[in-house]
Amino acid sequence: GQSLEQPSEVTAVEGAIVQINCTYQTSGFYGLSWYQQHDGGAPTFLSYNALDGLEETGRFSSFLSRSDSYGYLLLQELQMKDSASYFCAVKTGGFKTIFGAGTRLFVKA
Amino acid sequence: GAGVSQSPSNKVTEKGKDVELRCDPISGHTALYWYRQSLGQGLEFLIYFQGNSAPDKSGLPSDRFSAERTGGSVSTLTIQRTQQEDSAVYLCASSLAESSYEQYFGPGTRLTVT
Repeated sequence: GQSLEQPSEVTAVEGAIVQINCTYQTSGFYGLSWYQQHDGGAPTFLSYNALDGLEETGRFSSFLSRSDSYGYLLLQELQMKDSASYFCAVKTGGFKTIFGAGTRLFVKA
Repeated sequence: GAGVSQSPSNKVTEKGKDVELRCDPISGHTALYWYRQSLGQGLEFLIYFQGNSAPDKSGLPSDRFSAERTGGSVSTLTIQRTQQEDSAVYLCASSLAESSYEQYFGPGTRLTVT
């Protein structure tokens, strides 16, 4: 079967750095994406990695290692507004996208 | 420009009734996805349309679920003989092409089956 594993919850303090890991097992791989979802809201796209390495977009960075079937999302200079759920997602063969169960991030003052 | 829109935003129905959920993708987007999200859970893939190609229906949980996309634009997800376990938020997303990595999500339809 196809699966993505990510921690269910992470807690960090304002101003800190937090890393959310994602491991995947899928049939076919075109890239790893990350989405943010606030309570009651729709998921919004954060970043995408098709090749190994680090992609940086402002305070957010995302990393991929295809040989390890592993990626992570790094959030720097955490703000209270970053409290949300974060989902990793893999675009698989046939361009179907499979999402992880999500990591709920709590940012404390 | 307009984003992805979905209607209704909320739907309460009795067990056994049929429901139709509508999605209007972003104009020009050829790929359209339906997902289901139960409370506090991840997104469960349901079905995917790309242009005029046959849809990928591999995520539909039972034959009570069906979807169509007319004219390569608007999509309707139909659930027949609804069950309480169908209660969830149904999210629609579109992307420019099937190879695009960014999906744009609509606000979702919250379905409650009583």
